Amino acid sequence: NAGVTQTPKFQVLKTGQSMTLQCAQDMNHNSMYWYRQDPGMGLRLIYYSASEGTTDKGEVPNGYNVSRLNKREFSLRLESAAPSQTSVYFCASSARTGALTGELFFGEGSRLTVL
Amino acid sequence: AQTVTQSQPEMSVQEAETVTLSCTYDTSESDYYLFWYKQPPSRQMILVIRQEAYKQQNATENRFSVNFQKAAKSFSLKISDSQLGDAAMYFCAYRRGLSGFGNEKLTFGTGTRLTIIP
Repeated sequence: NAGVTQTPKFQVLKTGQSMTLQCAQDMNHNSMYWYRQDPGMGLRLIYYSASEGTTDKGEVPNGYNVSRLNKREFSLRLESAAPSQTSVYFCASSARTGALTGELFFGEGSRLTVL
Repeated sequence: AQTVTQSQPEMSVQEAETVTLSCTYDTSESDYYLFWYKQPPSRQMILVIRQEAYKQQNATENRFSVNFQKAAKSFSLKISDSQLGDAAMYFCAYRRGLSGFGNEKLTFGTGTRLTIIP
C-alpha cells in the first residue's frame, strides 16, 4: 500500500553539484508530476508526464530535467544545483479516468538544501 | 492561464468553532474541478474535498463543506467543529475538466495556515 514513494527525503548539496530525485508510484497511474513548494508561493509545477514516454514543462522548469523511465517511475534531475533550488519537492501521480480523475496523490516530499 | 488566489495567509479559530477559508480562481473554462488539500506539519498532502464545476450542489465531507459560487469564481472551505488535528496549511487547487494530455495538472493557491486555539 505504498502509493507514491520518493527518495531521498532530505538532501544537502553544494552549489554546482548534481543530484536526482527518484519517484515511483504503484497505482498504475498514467500521469506523474514534480512540484516544488516554497514559503508563500504554494506548490508550483516543474514538469509533468501525461504518459510513459512524454514529458512537458510546467511553470518553473529552468534548471531541471526529468525522465519518465516507465509507467511507474518519474525522476527529477538537478544538473548544477543553485541556492535558488532550495525547496521541498513533491512527486505526485493521478489517474485519467474513473471516480478519482484529477485527484493528485502525493509523495511525502523531499527537502533539498543547496549551500 | 488559470490562477488561484488565497487572500488569507493565516487564520485562527477557537476549538469547536467554525472557520471559513477563502479561495478565488480565474478561468475561461466552463468545465473544471476544484480541490482543497490539507498539509499538516508532517508535510503530507491530503485531499480534503473536491468539487466538479458542473455540479450545483456543494460538496460535503463530514465536518468539511464548500461554498461553490461558479459565477463569482469563488470556492470557500468551511470547517465546522474545529479540532486540534485540523491545524495545517490548506491549499486550494484548480484543474481543467477536459480530458487529454496535460489537463490533469493542478494549479495551486499560495495556501492559508490555519491555527486552532485550544
